[in-house]
Amino acid sequence: DAKTTQPPSMDCAEGRAANLPCNHSTISGNEYVYWYRQIHSQGPQYIIHGLKNNETNEMASLIITEDRKSSTLILPHATLRDTAVYYCIVLRRDTGNQFYFGTGTSLTVIP
Amino acid sequence: DVKVTQSSRYLVKRTGEKVFLECVQDMDHENMFWYRQDPGLGLRLIYFSYDVKMKEKGDIPEGYSVSREKKERFSLILESASTNQTSMYLCASSFIRIKHRANYGYTFGSGTRLTVV
Repeated sequence: DAKTTQPPSMDCAEGRAANLPCNHSTISGNEYVYWYRQIHSQGPQYIIHGLKNNETNEMASLIITEDRKSSTLILPHATLRDTAVYYCIVLRRDTGNQFYFGTGTSLTVIP
Repeated sequence: DVKVTQSSRYLVKRTGEKVFLECVQDMDHENMFWYRQDPGLGLRLIYFSYDVKMKEKGDIPEGYSVSREKKERFSLILESASTNQTSMYLCASSFIRIKHRANYGYTFGSGTRLTVV
């Protein structure tokens, strides 16, 4: 599975959009990009995933570049409850679906 | 609501004890996984299973074993607990094959924080 690179930490003002980048330059054609987040002392929670088109759900938007080598998770109006560690993962869906997590980005939403 | 349930939220055990961490999922998922999470190291895969009675080593299997006698249950066993196994343990499950247009990511349990003294 492709490796991912994320900044270790970011801050965002409450009410503003949080844009979390992820590089996955070795991604292959059948690998999906998944985003999870982990709030302190809880298990990781699914946010969104995509293959090559941009995706949006009630939690976030996922923007994947045309060459698929990077993506950005957008939380449109960050709240204090969005403070968490955000993980970007690439996953092959035709295999055993093994996620290999990196260390993620610690997002702090500031009042 | 579908979920993955880990039997204990907090656990304290003594060095040398045999420890069982239990995980149950109610989603009929084929895959089940055990991770440990330590500060600065992210989540590291210990073992996973893609079918009943099947198991595969992850990145850090030493000191651990697993058991999957039923599809819904995946147990992590610390044969002789040591202080360096103090950690947060996370269980997860997922589908193994594409079935529908749905999310094939993981569903995680809430974690078991194990302290070995």
